[in-house]
Amino acid sequence: KAGVTQTPRYLIKTRGQQVTLSCSPISGHRSVSWYQQTPGQGLQFLFEYFSETQRNKGNFPGRFSGRQFSNSRSEMNVSTLELGDSALYLCASSLADRAEAFFGQGTRLTVV
Amino acid sequence: AQSVTQLGSHVSVSEGALVLLRCNYSSSVPPYLFWYVQYPNQGLQLLLKYTTGATLVKGINGFEAEFKKSETSFHLTKPSAHMSDAAEYFCAVSDDFTGNQFYFGTGTSLTVIP
Repeated sequence: KAGVTQTPRYLIKTRGQQVTLSCSPISGHRSVSWYQQTPGQGLQFLFEYFSETQRNKGNFPGRFSGRQFSNSRSEMNVSTLELGDSALYLCASSLADRAEAFFGQGTRLTVV
Repeated sequence: AQSVTQLGSHVSVSEGALVLLRCNYSSSVPPYLFWYVQYPNQGLQLLLKYTTGATLVKGINGFEAEFKKSETSFHLTKPSAHMSDAAEYFCAVSDDFTGNQFYFGTGTSLTVIP
């Protein structure tokens, strides 16, 4: 059974650009969550999608957005990149509420 | 609101010694508690979870944790450390009202000394 797949693994972008990250959840999982991981702030929740609907959203500016498709694949978009957006972005999928989250290997975004 | 506190950002133990990583949580409703491990340049892997039932939870790789409601704690232990246990460990909490939103602690980096 394939795990959570995130693409790309590494990205380098310039300030002001925008970026789209992709996440394919485990087959059958309808919940997909996104987290930002930085050395200073740790793991911070961005948003969760369930059956194409955003169910929860963390405390991030509107530059951070996401969506989920009918096949449960999810994308997150960051517009007008800032240096502080450099981080490891992790995607997690869950089969149901209260179940464990399975994480992908992450996308390492560097903004220069 | 949920929160998690992990005491000790860095813990060092000798190979074969007891591993104890501390986690305290704050929750106004019954929590669901998780421990995850992260190796360099990798995602998070679930070690164990507590949702309901038995308060002593056994996980993978010989780890276990005990849910103590009175102490609002969920400490992670392993009787004998192995070199391969060196990694970053995260405690996380969720509940019935937050869906699959996890609140993570700041992590504890475990070093195993040969």
